[in-house]
Amino acid sequence: GAGVSQSPRYKVAKRGQDVALRCDPISGHVSLFWYQQALGQGPEFLTYFQNEAQLDKSGLPSDRFFAERPEGSVSTLKIQRTQQEDSAVYLCASSVALDYGYTFGSGTRLTVV
Amino acid sequence: GIQVEQSPPDLILQEGANSTLRCNFSDSVNNLQWFHQNPWGQLINLFYIPSGTKQNGRLSATTVATERYSLLYISSSQTTDSGVYFCAVGIGETSGSRLTFGEGTQLTVNP
Repeated sequence: GAGVSQSPRYKVAKRGQDVALRCDPISGHVSLFWYQQALGQGPEFLTYFQNEAQLDKSGLPSDRFFAERPEGSVSTLKIQRTQQEDSAVYLCASSVALDYGYTFGSGTRLTVV
Repeated sequence: GIQVEQSPPDLILQEGANSTLRCNFSDSVNNLQWFHQNPWGQLINLFYIPSGTKQNGRLSATTVATERYSLLYISSSQTTDSGVYFCAVGIGETSGSRLTFGEGTQLTVNP
């Protein structure tokens, strides 16, 4: 497609439930990023892929968070045993190269109840 | 880590007015981008501008890397310009992928 596609758009999870968030980047974009945005704040970096390689996962807040991009295109961010503090908008971005402008998807709003 | 400060935090304008948004950062960067987050939450890339000046229609941006600041100019503002403007910077050769965002400037343009 023409843009970065994320699904689902909204997700309500009960505390303790596992969730999987999907990102479909722009075709041909080598770099893929995940960010977390809390209400009223700027996005915060979670992890970065170059093709299928996860080159930086230093922003993942705990070992409950896991991301993969097995074939270098679609990526999935998985959160295990969700907690209330995980409630946020999860944004995916892609870029044709490391230092070019990023294109963000519309995000997935996760609410943990 | 690198610090990013944006000013002003809030800005209210009448349609047609001009404005300047500022971004200060605490270290040398090799990646600086400006984004507009519209009221529906979509982040739109405005400029990739680690140095120099760029213009796109009513918007322009200037980054003075040696003095560690960037400016975003909005001329003849329209109600559709409302939203939050973020400056984001990346630092270093291998970690240039990781953008650090400022807190944003909330812009409201009234008709």
